[in-house]
Amino acid sequence: KAGVTQTPRYLIKTRGQQVTLSCSPISGHRSVSWYQQTPGQGLQFLFEYFSETQRNKGNFPGRFSGRQFSNSRSEMNVSTLELGDSALYLCASRDPVGQSGNEQFFGPGTRLTVL
Amino acid sequence: SQQGEEDPQALSIQEGENATMNCSYKTSINNLQWYRQNSGRGLVHLILIRSNEREKHSGRLRVTLDTSKKSSSLLITASRAADTASYFCATAAGAGSYQLTFGKGTKLSVIP
Repeated sequence: KAGVTQTPRYLIKTRGQQVTLSCSPISGHRSVSWYQQTPGQGLQFLFEYFSETQRNKGNFPGRFSGRQFSNSRSEMNVSTLELGDSALYLCASRDPVGQSGNEQFFGPGTRLTVL
Repeated sequence: SQQGEEDPQALSIQEGENATMNCSYKTSINNLQWYRQNSGRGLVHLILIRSNEREKHSGRLRVTLDTSKKSSSLLITASRAADTASYFCATAAGAGSYQLTFGKGTKLSVIP
């Protein structure tokens, strides 16, 4: 099976702009989670989607939002970008009902730079 | 917030030596997992240990869990240069919505 794919891999934006990142989970995986990784804060949970419903949200401002489509693909959006949003954004998928239900498979990430 | 705290923050060893990394956490957990990350890329799942398990092996990896001390250790035996990476522990609190809380990681350098 193909792994988790994320597009784009690199992105440069300026303050005040908005950005949309995309994640395609492993085929059959219905759960998608997003994480932000920065040198200062490390890896932090953004949100999790399962069957098009947001199940949990981390401690991030409302500028961070996401959604999941019927084919399990997910997008996250960040509006009114700030310099501090520069980070590696990682998407992970899992199969909650499968044998490896607790294991999350991560994509390569999208490196966002805000200037 | 960061629940797990890895120790040491950085570790440098010679190829063939063993590497031990420790992780402490604060709240009750359902399971604890270890991940590897190479140079700012995606995370690779290494091993999962459930709260009712004390030790688990996978190839050259050995993980222990002490829930009374809220700590875990990852041992990599006979290390190789390819093991050079950052290693993170992550905890999952509940069996429902699946949110992982990561530590800040240990940066391992294996010198050939």
